[in-house]
Amino acid sequence: EPEVTQTPSHQVTQMGQEVILRCVPISNHLYFYWYRQILGQKVEFLVSFYNNEISEKSEIFDDQFSVERPDGSNFTLKIRSTKLEDSAMYFCASSHAGGNQPQHFGDGTRLSIL
Amino acid sequence: ELKVEQNPLFLSMQEGKNYTIYCNYSTTSDRLYWYRQDPGKSLESLFVLLSNGAVKQEGRLMASLDTKARLSTLHITAAVHDLSATYFCAVLLETSGSRLTFGEGTQLTVNP
Repeated sequence: EPEVTQTPSHQVTQMGQEVILRCVPISNHLYFYWYRQILGQKVEFLVSFYNNEISEKSEIFDDQFSVERPDGSNFTLKIRSTKLEDSAMYFCASSHAGGNQPQHFGDGTRLSIL
Repeated sequence: ELKVEQNPLFLSMQEGKNYTIYCNYSTTSDRLYWYRQDPGKSLESLFVLLSNGAVKQEGRLMASLDTKARLSTLHITAAVHDLSATYFCAVLLETSGSRLTFGEGTQLTVNP
């Protein structure tokens, strides 16, 4: 069964550094998402992306964050000047259509900011 | 602002027993999703409920949606140890595009 893949599985970075989290969505999916889950807390929406542009973003997704689809298969989340509170599990998800289809999640990237 | 609340947050049950997890949400929606998460793992889609009165069943799990009451339930029948996981409900508002708003999760432990 097709799946969403994310790399790396674990990223350790010094505070203030930039990180790029990578995702390969399911190939025929059109909608892409990033969510994060701080340890022990619920999953929070960051951003959705469709037709090569952001379709929606949350209040968490400020100027520190950006997303890109650099080619036909990858979808990236960049975090500039990381802060301690950015430590979390970051999940990429994709769906074939909008709300009537489930969003399929990758295994996540655990980001640890030191 | 949409609020999604699950209860209980922690559930410890014996194998063979039945139990129900509740998911309440604060704003009208007819799209609700249930996900399962094993420790350190991703979220696995369990059910997609798209209309009032929708009922879906898979194995020992059955999910239902009452949009008038803004309530979804996840019923567990004759629990087995393999069902131990955290279960999340997530609500989609039409007005919010495709943003899922998750509940806090219910951590289920099924004891042999």
